[in-house]
Amino acid sequence: QVQLQESGPGLVKPSETLSLTCTVSGGSVSSGSYYWSWIRQPPGKGLEWIGYIYYTGNTNYNPSLKSRVTISLDTSKNQFSLKLSSVTAADTAVYYCARDGGVLYWPDPWGQGTLVTVSS
Amino acid sequence: DIQMTQSPSSLSASVGERVTITCRASQSISIYLNWYQQKPGKAPKFLIYSASSLQSGVPSRFSGSGSGTDFTLTINSLQPEDFATYYCQQSYSTPQTFGQGTQVEIK
Repeated sequence: QVQLQESGPGLVKPSETLSLTCTVSGGSVSSGSYYWSWIRQPPGKGLEWIGYIYYTGNTNYNPSLKSRVTISLDTSKNQFSLKLSSVTAADTAVYYCARDGGVLYWPDPWGQGTLVTVSS
Repeated sequence: DIQMTQSPSSLSASVGERVTITCRASQSISIYLNWYQQKPGKAPKFLIYSASSLQSGVPSRFSGSGSGTDFTLTINSLQPEDFATYYCQQSYSTPQTFGQGTQVEIK
């Protein structure tokens, strides 16, 4: 079955760019029918959808983060990535990647998540 | 954005009890409501999709109902492994949005 694994720095300085990668196994990011998502969860708080990318490269971002977010695909490595620019302490969270069916569907499965702390 | 409001925010229950969690959407989302279970330090686990369909492998004591703006998650005969936080999520439109969560604690 499809498995996802997040990777990237656990500490990012304020005003810098957060960069994370999600490696997919057991399935292909190039296959149709699925979107590849990022979702985050600040410590002790709820879940926030960041956005997703389709295998064609089309993206859909949360308007609250749109000006700072880029999600991209690397089909040669079967990975997709998240970049969040100009980070502040409010961006400290566990970041999850997930496979999603798109509108009217749902994110599942999810990666285990990775904690990113924004601090100098 | 569609706002999702869960109630209660937390509850205490005993093993064997029946538990009901409510989720309300700020506008109609038809049946496009999903439920997740999350335990500390773990990723959310997918339980129910399209308001009432049980994901494969999820115990039958979990059930969901509702349409439009009002939805419920019911756990019949609560088991020790069910103590967790539960989230509803709407997939009717982007941005996807989640409820704030309901923490189910041991009484």
